[in-house]
This record gives sequence, C-alpha cells and structure tokens, in this order.
Amino acid sequence: DIQMTQSPSTLSASVGDRVTITCRASQSISNWLAWYQQKPGKAPKLLIYKASSLESGVPSRFSGSGAGTEFTLTISSPQPDDFATYYCQQYDSYPWTFGQGTKVEI
Amino acid sequence: QITLKESGPTLVKPTQTLTLTCTFSGFSLSTRAVGVGWFRQPPGKALEWLAVIYWDDAKTYSPSLKSRLTITKDTSKSQVVLTMTNMDPVDTATYYCAHKAAAPGILDSWGQGTLVAVSS
Repeated sequence: DIQMTQSPSTLSASVGDRVTITCRASQSISNWLAWYQQKPGKAPKLLIYKASSLESGVPSRFSGSGAGTEFTLTISSPQPDDFATYYCQQYDSYPWTFGQGTKVEI
Repeated sequence: QITLKESGPTLVKPTQTLTLTCTFSGFSLSTRAVGVGWFRQPPGKALEWLAVIYWDDAKTYSPSLKSRLTITKDTSKSQVVLTMTNMDPVDTATYYCAHKAAAPGILDSWGQGTLVAVSS
C-alpha cells in the first residue's frame, strides 16, 4: 500500500495568513493526488484533483502543487469558513489511501 | 446535480453482517468510467477507502477487508449496496458513499454519511 503522510497534524493560523500543508507519498504517484476539506459532522469536499486542478466552485485562494512524492496544499488567505480538517488522497493505485489529516485551527 | 445518500442500521451486534445502501441521483452508473465508492471514518480518525464499483460492474476492494466485503449495484434503482460480514466494535465508523467521476479517481460528490455503531 502507498502510505500518505501529512504535516503538520495541526496548524494554528489567523484569518489572512498563508497556510501550507504538505503531503508525502511513500512512492511516486505521479500527479494522482486529491485534496479534501472536511468540517465536523460533514462529508469530505473535493478541493483539488490531479495535484493542482481546482474543482469547480472552489475559491481560487486554494491551490495545489507537486508531483511524484511531495505535494502541497496552499490557502493563500484563509477565511473563517476555511478552518477545517484537510486530507490528501492518492489514486495512483489501489488501495486508495488517505493522509491522516491536518486540522487548521484559528 | 449529483446527490448520494447512505442508509442502513445505526447499530449492529458483533459478528453480524452490515448492509448499507447508497441511493443516488444526478448520474447513471451505466455511463462509461463512472463509479461509486464506499469509505469509512472511525470517530476522530482519518478516512479509509473500502470498495468501488464501476459502470461495467468491475469491482475493487481494500485488500485488508476484501474477505468481508461485497459491493453490488442496481442500475435501474440507482443504488449501490455494500455488505460487510463479521462486524466488530472496531468497525464503528461513519460510512460514506461517493461518486467517482468519469475522469480517473475523482470523487467529486459524497453522501452525508451514516454512523454505524457495533456493540452488543
């Protein structure tokens, strides 16, 4: 199985700060990576697919980058609604696997 | 607009079989390359993929749970059913189904989830 490791596990930020979350894969996954946002009691929401493609309707302050084994999710100027937990997920090969999550707190 | 909704028991006893149904609208599971996946999330923990079924009835399971899982589809009813045998308290989780778009791997719509507790 491909292991996905996110860092940090928790991140404290202020509205307007730049937030960066890193996701590392245990082997190369090309650019077959997605990022999801999840709020308490809610389903995950797709933000980014294919490492850097923004899902329709997602604000442009979210961006993704990377390829191979190292990936980044950036929130350029977090808004109050962005405080949530973020997961990366690889879909290069089965089993699809997720990172352990990064909680972004105020 | 794509919607999905999970349904099934909220409580099962250890060793019982869990049957969950995902009822969807806004897409057809007969469309090429489209699929429906199942996922779960224990309280306070990360997401875990369980299984996926595709338009052509191809199925793939998580290797760690393969012996316990069965996924099927009823295209005419717009439903996907997941069964998990021999339930254990560690299987307590919120279970989600999600739409896999025609493009590779994209899970662009999710159900609201259903919490299943395993307890005697």
